Amino acid sequence: EVHLVESGGDLVQPGRSLRLSCAASGFTFDDYAMHWVRQAPGKGLEWVSGISWNSGSAGYADSVRGRFTISRDNAQNSLYLQMNSLRTEDTALYYCVKGNSSSWTHIWFDFWGQGNLVTVSS
Amino acid sequence: QSVLTQPPSASGTPGQRVTISCSGSISNIGSNFVHWYQQFPGTAPKVLLYRNNERPSGVPDRFSGSKSGTSASLAISGLRSEDEADYYCAAWDDSLSGWVFGGGTKLTVL
Repeated sequence: EVHLVESGGDLVQPGRSLRLSCAASGFTFDDYAMHWVRQAPGKGLEWVSGISWNSGSAGYADSVRGRFTISRDNAQNSLYLQMNSLRTEDTALYYCVKGNSSSWTHIWFDFWGQGNLVTVSS
Repeated sequence: QSVLTQPPSASGTPGQRVTISCSGSISNIGSNFVHWYQQFPGTAPKVLLYRNNERPSGVPDRFSGSKSGTSASLAISGLRSEDEADYYCAAWDDSLSGWVFGGGTKLTVL
């Protein structure tokens, strides 16, 4: 059974940094692309970033490009999101999401973690 | 403002058939598959339909999808109270080189 467990969420001040982690189990982690998708309180879903199976390719939403960095450690079955220069509008529940293929483009998301809350406020 | 446009709400009575629309453009729905996600309050989304109309194992055949041009729709037949949830469409966008979602539709079973 696929399990995705996020951690690292916290209350931080605007301009500060935070690193989210996602521990994956129940599947061959290095066969699949992974993503981060966020949901602001009471709002819809927003794709944040995706990374290919071997870290060879990654992409970002315009809203986070240049501030966030996605990475993965296949030896540790872990996905990360380094978030710098945080803004109040980054406040959201961040989901770790598994892609259905090795590529982060075009192929749907098939499993989601339970999410981890990031609150950016002074 | 979401790139894909969905009605914010939809409703129906038990047994009825309801549809939820998702409108996009040539760079997303017009060129790529549409996927649908279901989210119950306080829980994570789960995939409901992928590649326009394919169902993962465990999803009842009451759920179906279609796509035409730059629009797609999700149909739920034989509506049940447990179908009450938020529904999101999503597609890859070639112009943005990223994934885009609809704003979500809250389905109420009356």
